[in-house]
This record gives sequence, C-alpha cells and structure tokens, in this order.
Amino acid sequence: NAGVMQNPRHLVRRRGQEARLRCSPMKGHSHVYWYRQLPEEGLKFMVYLQKENIIDESGMPKERFSAEFPKEGPSILRIQQVVRGDSAAYFCASSPLRGQGDEKLFFGSGTQLSVL
Amino acid sequence: SQQGEEDPQALSIQEGENATMNCSYKTSINNLQWYRQNSGRGLVHLILIRSNEREKHSGRLRVTLDTSKKSSSLLITASRAADTASYFCASHPKAAGNKLTFGGGTRVLVKP
Repeated sequence: NAGVMQNPRHLVRRRGQEARLRCSPMKGHSHVYWYRQLPEEGLKFMVYLQKENIIDESGMPKERFSAEFPKEGPSILRIQQVVRGDSAAYFCASSPLRGQGDEKLFFGSGTQLSVL
Repeated sequence: SQQGEEDPQALSIQEGENATMNCSYKTSINNLQWYRQNSGRGLVHLILIRSNEREKHSGRLRVTLDTSKKSSSLLITASRAADTASYFCASHPKAAGNKLTFGGGTRVLVKP
C-alpha cells in the first residue's frame, strides 16, 4: 500500500511562472490537506479538500493560490505568478473518511518550491 | 494566533538520556498529536492523546495532556542517535473542522 505520493520532489520556477504541485493520497483516503513549511518553522495549514469539494480554504491566500481534488486523479495545488516569498516546502497529507475527529494524518515527502 | 507552541525550540542530549519537550495550545481540543520529521522529509505520526486522557505510552514515548493548562509534554526515554529529528505537536481544535494546527517544533539532536 503506497503512501502519500507527492511530485515533483523539487520544483524551480522563475518569478511570474506557475507552479503545479501534485498529491496522490493513500489508497482509500478521501481527505487531502495541504500545508506549507518555511525553514525552521512548523507547518501552516492551507486547505482541506474532499473529493471534488473544498471544505476549508481558510489558510490559503485569496489571490494566486488554488487547489482542487477531482473525482479522478491527484489533488493539485496551483500557484500562479509565483514570487520569491512562495519559496517553501509544501506538504500534502491524507486521512481516511471516518469523521470522528481523531484521525491522524499521513504525510507525503513534500515538494520543495524554489522561486528564482 | 498560533496554536501549539513548543518548548524548547532546540534540545541537545547524549544517547541514553531522556528528552522532554512541551507544547501549549490556545483553544479547546478534541485531541493532540505528536509528529516527527526527519530533515527534508514529511511528518510521521507518533502518538495521539484524546482530550479525556491524561497520559499515554507507546514504546519509549510517553505523552501527557493537561487540558486545564492547555499543555502537553512528550518524553522520549533512553534516546538513540536515530531519534535525532524535529518533533511537532498538532492540536485538533473542537471548532476547526477536521484540520490540525501545528506548533513550531522542537529540534532534537541526540549525540552518540
């Protein structure tokens, strides 16, 4: 049973370009979370999605950032017109559908985004 | 405001010693979880303690929770060099749906 798969592992973009980060949750998991981590800091919540629905996007900037989790295929975090401040590690996590509020998260290895 | 602040930010110990780190949070929670992160990797779940529990053990890990003080501690006994990592607490606030809020982490260095 493969874990949470994120790709690419490293992504280099120039200012103004678009970054697309992909996340395939663990088999059987229908909840996906995206977090951002700056060096030497903790993870900051960005967005929580279920299949075809955004449940909570309170941590995601209103402009340039978007996320989706289509019925088929991976979840995508898209950052348009990237700026240097977007440079960070972006982690995806998944959890199974139980809704009891005590699920642990399973994390991918992250995508390190570097904006030149 | 940031939930889940860890203390200390960094900890250096010798192999065989115990490592203790603390976490504070701000609002009522369903549970509190501890995760470990090796450099450049994703987080790995270590242990979960529910709001109605006070102490929990898992192998060399011992977690306590004091909801009156809104704090938790993680103790790693008989540490090994392989325990070198960053450790994060993550609170699951009651009013926050299904998302976790992470603290800034404690970086632990275990010297052989």
